[in-house]
Parts: sequence; C-alpha cells; structure tokens
Amino acid sequence: ETGVTQTPRHLVMGMTNKKSLKCEQHLGHNAMYWYKQSAKKPLELMFVYSLEERVENNSVPSRFSPECPNSSHLFLHLHTLQPEDSALYLCASSQKATSTNEKLFFGSGTQLSVL
Amino acid sequence: AQSVAQPEDQVNVAEGNPLTVKCTYSVSGNPYLFWYVQYPNRGLQFLLKYITGDNLVKGSYGFEAEFNKSQTSFHLKKPSALVSDSALYFCAVRLLSSGSARQLTFGSGTQLTVLP
Repeated sequence: ETGVTQTPRHLVMGMTNKKSLKCEQHLGHNAMYWYKQSAKKPLELMFVYSLEERVENNSVPSRFSPECPNSSHLFLHLHTLQPEDSALYLCASSQKATSTNEKLFFGSGTQLSVL
Repeated sequence: AQSVAQPEDQVNVAEGNPLTVKCTYSVSGNPYLFWYVQYPNRGLQFLLKYITGDNLVKGSYGFEAEFNKSQTSFHLKKPSALVSDSALYFCAVRLLSSGSARQLTFGSGTQLTVLP
C-alpha cells in the first residue's frame, strides 16, 4: 500500500461517454500528478498540481480535463475519447513539486479501454 | 533535448546470476537520476536515486546503480537475481520544465525476467 488510491481499477467506455478517474492520497503531500502509461512507451506526464501551480503537458488533448479540489484529491475527467487513449492512467503524489530530489508515490492505476 | 533512454525492452537472467538493466541520459546541467520498479497490476515504486556524491548508489531490495558521468549512464545492478525481481523497471531523470515545477521524465521501461 503506497498511500495513493485510484478508482476505478478498470474502466471500459465508448467514445461518446463521459467518465471520471479518481485519485486520493493519504500521505499529506502537496503535489499530485497524472501519468499515462502505454506499452513500450515512456510514461507521459499529463498534469501536475501543487500548492504553487498547475502545470500541464501542452500535447495533452482537451478531451482530458483535470480537477484538483484540494491537496488530497485529484480527478481526471474524460469525454469523447479515442481508441488510442486506451492505456493505464497512473496517479502519483509527492511532498512538493519543486524539489529536485523528491520521489513519487504511485497508485495502482486505472486501466482504461476505449471502444 | 533532454531525455532518458533504456535500450533494452527485455532482459532475461537466470536466478542467482548478476543482473544489469541499462539506462543512458541526456540532460543539460547536473542530472538527478532515479530508478522505479513496477510489479504486475501495481503502480511504480521508488527503488533508488542519485543526486550527488558517491557514484554507486544503494537502494531497496538489494539493488544498486552506478552513475557514470563520462558515459552518461545510470545502470541498475544486482549481484544475485531472484525470481521475485521479475518486473518492469523504469529509469527517470529530473528535468527543469516550464514554470517552477521540475518533473520526472521516464524511459520506456525494461521488462526483467528472472528464470528459475
């Protein structure tokens, strides 16, 4: 148990659906992240939320919309996804985003399949 | 461009033999390097990190990594592999990105299989 919980573990959705991924951390951290993991590709950082700022990867399509209501919760809202968006979506947290030696704590991920 | 590369998609090793998982990096300035491991159906777990100091870094589960500045490498090693070490291993480098946040950039991962 890493202290980072993601729900659901698996999600199958059609291209016209709207769904949300949820992440909760119980570590008292101040920064949270969304990563996309596709087979044999580098993990792709999608979004970072911290007390200081929100940072996003400019290549992330607008059909992905993050929400961070407080330092313990992070959501990823999904709408009109494409089959190529099928992947494992990982949430992570760290004490703060600006320190160079911070390690990340990851959840187990949501395996998303878009039909 | 700043990046990290893991040249091997798959590494197989017999139990009890030494293992090496390779990582090379390209970054301007001093690199901050990390190794993470992902077991099946789990998220990534931190193994070890290099910030400054000794080039040989020791981490969890008997793993260690050697920082080599001249070869821009940070290979993960273990003297004697266990079947339970079978997992997906990710190398990562800390980059200076836009704004004040510094995010980890990961390699594509290396699947390690330890054969009994």
